[in-house]
Amino acid sequence: QSVLTQPPSASGTPGQRVTISCSGSSSNIGSQIVNWYQHLPGTTPKLLIHTDNQRPSGVPDRFSGSKSGTSASLAISGLQSEDEAVYYCSAWDDRLNALLFGGGTKLTVL
Amino acid sequence: QVQLVQSGGGVVQPGRSLRLSCAASGFTFNTHAMHWVRQAPGKGLEWVGFIWYDGSNKVYGASVKGRFTISRDNSKNTVDLQMNSLRAEDTAVYYCARDPPHSGFRLDHWGQGTLVTVSS
Repeated sequence: QSVLTQPPSASGTPGQRVTISCSGSSSNIGSQIVNWYQHLPGTTPKLLIHTDNQRPSGVPDRFSGSKSGTSASLAISGLQSEDEAVYYCSAWDDRLNALLFGGGTKLTVL
Repeated sequence: QVQLVQSGGGVVQPGRSLRLSCAASGFTFNTHAMHWVRQAPGKGLEWVGFIWYDGSNKVYGASVKGRFTISRDNSKNTVDLQMNSLRAEDTAVYYCARDPPHSGFRLDHWGQGTLVTVSS
């Protein structure tokens, strides 16, 4: 059971908008920066969103991040088949003194 | 361009040791913290630990503390993960990752990953 809680799965059809949640606490999301990673099968994890809501260069603006209190969300609009991947939220926890990853959400494009 | 090239890994018996290495290029290595992250078969990402840009501080995840050691050589642009007293549950793909200064633990470049299998 991860300290950062994500739904194990999400799905949508091409063109739809999907949202993936990440729930934490005051010692992690509530006081620390949230980053999101995309992990496609057979590849290296890729930084998708940093500093809660910033996209690295090259990441399409279909991807967006937000944070409120002790929860964060990743939204993907205009869903495409190549978005099928596992998505992880991550944040430092200053009580555990550890970098946390959520359990991951497997996104399926129907 | 930024590159992190990993080496080491393989099959090792329980209780034995193994050392992974990560060679960096394309950026100023001695200004970046470096992390190790692993993924066990069928599981999610798990943080192993990290080392400050100058090697002066190291922090480890609870599951590896006391058994694993991270070190770096800024003259060679390498970071290593020494894994001792290996257990079956340490079986995973291990990644090194770069953490830019003042980035809030943003792992913006990752190595290709290397598989460690602990089995008798």
